Amino acid sequence: AQSVAQPEDQVNVAEGNPLTVKCTYSVSGNPYLFWYVQYPNRGLQFLLKYITGDNLVKGSYGFEAEFNKSQTSFHLKKPSALVSDSALYFCAVRDGGGNNRLAFGKGNQVVVIP
Amino acid sequence: EAGVVQSPRYKIIEKKQPVAFWCNPISGHNTLYWYLQNLGQGPELLIRYENEEAVDDSQLPKDRFSAERLKGVDSTLKIQPAELGDSAVYLCASSTGTGRGTGELFFGEGSRLTVL
Repeated sequence: AQSVAQPEDQVNVAEGNPLTVKCTYSVSGNPYLFWYVQYPNRGLQFLLKYITGDNLVKGSYGFEAEFNKSQTSFHLKKPSALVSDSALYFCAVRDGGGNNRLAFGKGNQVVVIP
Repeated sequence: EAGVVQSPRYKIIEKKQPVAFWCNPISGHNTLYWYLQNLGQGPELLIRYENEEAVDDSQLPKDRFSAERLKGVDSTLKIQPAELGDSAVYLCASSTGTGRGTGELFFGEGSRLTVL
């Protein structure tokens, strides 16, 4: 079955510094990879996805993510973090040849310090 | 465009009582999902509908949980009877269902259940 690992519980970064949130995945077929963000007491919001093509994908709010097949990773990045980026970030993976179920990681709390 | 609407946002009940959650997906989205989110965890799928058919309900605890999606639009998730361990946020999501799994999910704000 597909799964996602987000190794860090919390990521602290100073405002204006680069932000990276790590994600590694496991699937038997082709991975469809997603990042979602969750603000307090809100539902998850889609940020970006990788299905095929260019390994670097760009998404909402200046975020981007790089698909690395050899390392089975899909790290989320932002060149310059804002205080408003403080939220919970979830990585998710679907097995493109499997049961079509979307598996989420446990999430990373990002805290951007002014 | 209206998003996924869920109600109620918050519900507090005594254990052994029944509870029901309602979800209205985005218009035109034929795929609907119910997820369970425990504190500090990622969402876990309970059930997925394609139109009115439940195509993935293997993770739904069928002894106490039930769901329906009449006419392939709105959906209801029911717990009867509720247990203390059911305290969590119940998320509804929808997607267009095209391109087999390549589309993103759109989530509602969730229904937070507290069982006392």
